[in-house]
Amino acid sequence: ETGVTQSPTHLIKTRGQQVTLRCSSQSGHNTVSWYQQALGQGPQFIFQYYREEENGRGNFPPRFSGLQFPNYSSELNVNALELDDSALYLCASSLALWKNSPLHFGNGTRLTVT
Amino acid sequence: AQKVTQAQTEISVVEKEDVTLDCVYETRDTTYYLFWYKQPPSGELVFLIRRNSFDEQNEISGRYSWNFQKSTSSFNFTITASQVVDSAVYFCALSETNSGGSNYKLTFGKGTLLTVNP
Repeated sequence: ETGVTQSPTHLIKTRGQQVTLRCSSQSGHNTVSWYQQALGQGPQFIFQYYREEENGRGNFPPRFSGLQFPNYSSELNVNALELDDSALYLCASSLALWKNSPLHFGNGTRLTVT
Repeated sequence: AQKVTQAQTEISVVEKEDVTLDCVYETRDTTYYLFWYKQPPSGELVFLIRRNSFDEQNEISGRYSWNFQKSTSSFNFTITASQVVDSAVYFCALSETNSGGSNYKLTFGKGTLLTVNP
């Protein structure tokens, strides 16, 4: 059983640029969630996708967008990067009903915006 | 609004000591899940336990145990006979249900940094 994999591991971008982060969900999982973790803080929910549709969104501006593909993998896109976007971005996959499976997280992508 | 409070920012113990990490939560949902995750320096969030709000039985898994008390909205985590490898940041998290009735989001506490010294 393969776990959640994220790419790239690390990324350095310049303010104003755009970035795409990728996530492959754990085998059999149809739900993907993205979280942002700033240094010294707990993860903050960005959004969740279930069967290619957004199923909930946290308090993040529209320049944070996502996609889920038919194979349940996912992308997180951030436009017009700001310095405060520097963080660890975590992807988590699960089955739709959490009583049947907890959230399993990937190792994350560490984004630095200069 | 959902809220998770981990009042202990940092805890330092000597190996073999027992240590309890506190977690207090606020929610208006009647059905919810509580989680504990471990985050070692590598950054990955490692799932430790999920507890349903209807199940108040305490749970033990090896050196780990969890005490869920709905009356005080607490879900505390105890490590018995701590080891150096237990050093990590530990997060307590609370699920939230959307208008469609599905669990869609976790609200995390700020975490407790546990350092176990040899």
